[in-house]
Amino acid sequence: DTAVSQTPKYLVTQMGNDKSIKCEQNLGHDTMYWYKQDSKKFLKIMFSYNNKELIINETVPNRFSPKSPDKAHLNLHINSLELGDSAVYFCASSQDGSEDSYEQYFGPGTRLTVT
Amino acid sequence: LAKTTQPISMDSYEGQEVNITCSHNNIATNDYITWYQQFPSQGPRFIIQGYKTKVTNEVASLFIPADRKSSTLSLPRVSLSDTAVYYCLVGPYNQGGKLIFGQGTELSVKP
Repeated sequence: DTAVSQTPKYLVTQMGNDKSIKCEQNLGHDTMYWYKQDSKKFLKIMFSYNNKELIINETVPNRFSPKSPDKAHLNLHINSLELGDSAVYFCASSQDGSEDSYEQYFGPGTRLTVT
Repeated sequence: LAKTTQPISMDSYEGQEVNITCSHNNIATNDYITWYQQFPSQGPRFIIQGYKTKVTNEVASLFIPADRKSSTLSLPRVSLSDTAVYYCLVGPYNQGGKLIFGQGTELSVKP
């Protein structure tokens, strides 16, 4: 029973296409995140949702749009994909308001390759 | 948020104790120090968090001197499976969970 799951694990697509990555957590956490890890292994936060409300929105192109249908799901939709979007995207969740709020649980990642 | 500096890579052998030091000279009063571990092709995993002095759990120990300008993650008796990238993060723990990852330390454990 995976705590944070993402689909798909691999995604290969062409420039200009629109794609979505889905994330689900079964930990009952209030907050979910999207991170991007580039080829140099730097991991950067993109978005954060708390109880379906956007609370962190880093400097990310507006081609990226997160959607949270409920607090257990946070999907990432990307329009007009570009070569530079190729990276590994990680979803994470945390239980805010507790002593463990700095502990985030990460999914296995989605490796996006744009050709 | 405080910037961190760690060695880019370290080598060790099975059974040895490994100490990875992180510098964070401009750490703020309300900042915590957190370490994450990332295995190849996996997401990062929380290891340990501390504010001052020493913290120990079943995986590692975290040593923080009085001035808090650095911290040391100690892994006792490493095994091959401890080969991973280790990230030191500094920030307020209850600020929307905005984790800032640096370059990390790539630890390679050899037989």
